[in-house]
Amino acid sequence: QKEVEQDPGPLSVPEGAIVSLNCTYSNSAFQYFMWYRQYSRKGPELLMYTYSSGNKEDGRFTAQVDKSSKYISLFIRDSQPSDSATYLCAMSARGTGRRALTFGSGTRLQVQP
Amino acid sequence: DSGVTQTPKHLITATGQRVTLRCSPRSGDLSVYWYQQSLDQGLQFLIHYYNGEERAKGNILERFSAQQFPDLHSELNLSSLELGDSALYFCASSVEGLPDNEQFFGPGTRLTVL
Repeated sequence: QKEVEQDPGPLSVPEGAIVSLNCTYSNSAFQYFMWYRQYSRKGPELLMYTYSSGNKEDGRFTAQVDKSSKYISLFIRDSQPSDSATYLCAMSARGTGRRALTFGSGTRLQVQP
Repeated sequence: DSGVTQTPKHLITATGQRVTLRCSPRSGDLSVYWYQQSLDQGLQFLIHYYNGEERAKGNILERFSAQQFPDLHSELNLSSLELGDSALYFCASSVEGLPDNEQFFGPGTRLTVL
């Protein structure tokens, strides 16, 4: 079983929809939680970063972390065709030598105009 | 643009050969991480350097090695290449402060082994 599980999709939504992306994890040592967006064959772009539990909002994006359930989410409001990409969740522990990221497999999102 | 640069963008080589991938971190970042992205394995951590010292190893093959130089750029050396080494190789940099661990990725090097 993988440490981080993510539904690969694809997920297809109409423009303007609210998108919900999720990951579950098994390693209770994870303290840092991130969401990256990756366009085809490009470098992952950091979208949201959360340390420990809670919610964080940035424009149309909201990240939620529920450590008790080992579950993280990314919500995209008013989705746009330009949001079409693969979304990767990533997480790491805290401490020297433990900060490498463990990634989910990525969810491919297609926003239809 | 993340501020992390990687060269070359593409590499095409033959089995058994050796290549070197280069990464320059964002200004001020002391940490460099190397990751490999393949279709079947996803994004996987290879190795982490902090201010010239190796900090952690992940799923890095013995045929692969890396180093970080005094100017903080890093090189990943891949030798005795096999077909299965074909992948995207990314480096990411981080300021490595506490409690922050934001990692910013470069554009990647696409390696094709024929």
